[in-house]
Formats: sequence, C-alpha cells, structure tokens
Amino acid sequence: DVKVTQSSRYLVKRTGEKVFLECVQDMDHENMFWYRQDPGLGLRLIYFSYDVKMKEKGDIPEGYSVSREKKERFSLILESASTNQTSMYLCASSRITTGARLRPQHFGDGTRLSIL
Amino acid sequence: AQSVSQHNHHVILSEAASLELGCNYSYGGTVNLFWYVQYPGQHLQLLLKYFSGDPLVKGIKGFEAEFIKSKFSFNLRKPSVQWSDTAEYFCAVNEDGNKLVFGAGTILRVKS
Repeated sequence: DVKVTQSSRYLVKRTGEKVFLECVQDMDHENMFWYRQDPGLGLRLIYFSYDVKMKEKGDIPEGYSVSREKKERFSLILESASTNQTSMYLCASSRITTGARLRPQHFGDGTRLSIL
Repeated sequence: AQSVSQHNHHVILSEAASLELGCNYSYGGTVNLFWYVQYPGQHLQLLLKYFSGDPLVKGIKGFEAEFIKSKFSFNLRKPSVQWSDTAEYFCAVNEDGNKLVFGAGTILRVKS
C-alpha cells in the first residue's frame, strides 16, 4: 500500500519565520503535489513536481517555494511565514499519467500549520 | 481553466437515508473524474474514479457515481447511509495531464 508521510501533524510557527514542511513517499511515484486545504475552499494546488529538480506552479504559489532533490521527497518552504498561511497542508503523490488515464493521487495525513 | 462545483456544503442525514451529492465541472472534452473522502482525522482516500465506458461507476463502501456528459456532472450516490459515512467528500477533475482540480467539498453528517 502506498505510504505518503508528512513530517509533522501539527506545527506552530511565528510570523516571519522560514518554515519547512517535508513529505516522503515510498512507492517510487514520479509526481508529487502540495495542496492547502481551507474550509469552504477545498484543496488548492500550491506546487507540483513531475521529476527530480522539476517543479510547476499551481494555483496559489505566492509566498511558497518547493524543493525536490530526491524522487521520494518533496519539501514545501514558506519563505517568510504570514498569518494568512495558517492552514492544513496536504502532500500527495501519483504515478505519471499514461495515455488518457490520470493516475489517482495518494495523500498524506496533512500538517496543520498555525502561524502566530 | 477547469473548475468544479459541489452544490451542497453541508448535508445532514439520518441513518438509512439515501444520499446524493452533486458535482459539476466546467470544461468538456475527455475528462477523468474522481470522488475522494476524508474521514475525521484521516487522510483523503479514493472512493471511485471514472475514465471512460459505463457511465455508472461503483466504488468502495457501497458508493456509486454517474457520469452525465451532457450535464457536465458526476454525482455521488449511496442508497442507504451509515453513521460511519460521516466525512467530507471531494469531487475532482483532471486538468493538464497530471493535475487535479478539486471542488470545495461537502461535509456529510449522519445522525444515528
């Protein structure tokens, strides 16, 4: 079974800090994703990576960056945390799409991040 | 760009009632459609998916969904809900190859 592990379930940081959220998957998936989940807004894509050192901006990349140095690990970085980045952050992974069939994404448990 | 609408944000049902959650997407053409569920305190997990073929798709835990191309819809149904179905449900549609666009989610509470 696919396992996507996020380093922390809960995290509290201060405004202006640089924050690192880590995600590791154990199924050799090519694709990895970072979302934020907010009530009434669903999941919004922050960044997406389809290969090592490759990244694409999602719908809400402002204030965030990512790093993918190894295939199994995808890090989300809040360069200077602000209170409006308080949210639930979800990491996901999937196999690369072949043909017309999008492979299902597998999710981690999420990190609930509070910025004070 | 693709967008997904889930019409009901909160649904409260009694056990054994029938469930239908609406999902509409904006962009036609070839679509891959998904329903995910998030039980309290757990990660999102796949309920069912549609790629092509029979528009009535069966998933886990007795859920099914019907793809109606002419209505750009992919509604989720269950004939008889249980207390354990209390969760948040997300509809998602593919965009640009490997990416998904999610709806805002529907919180279902089943009263025992």
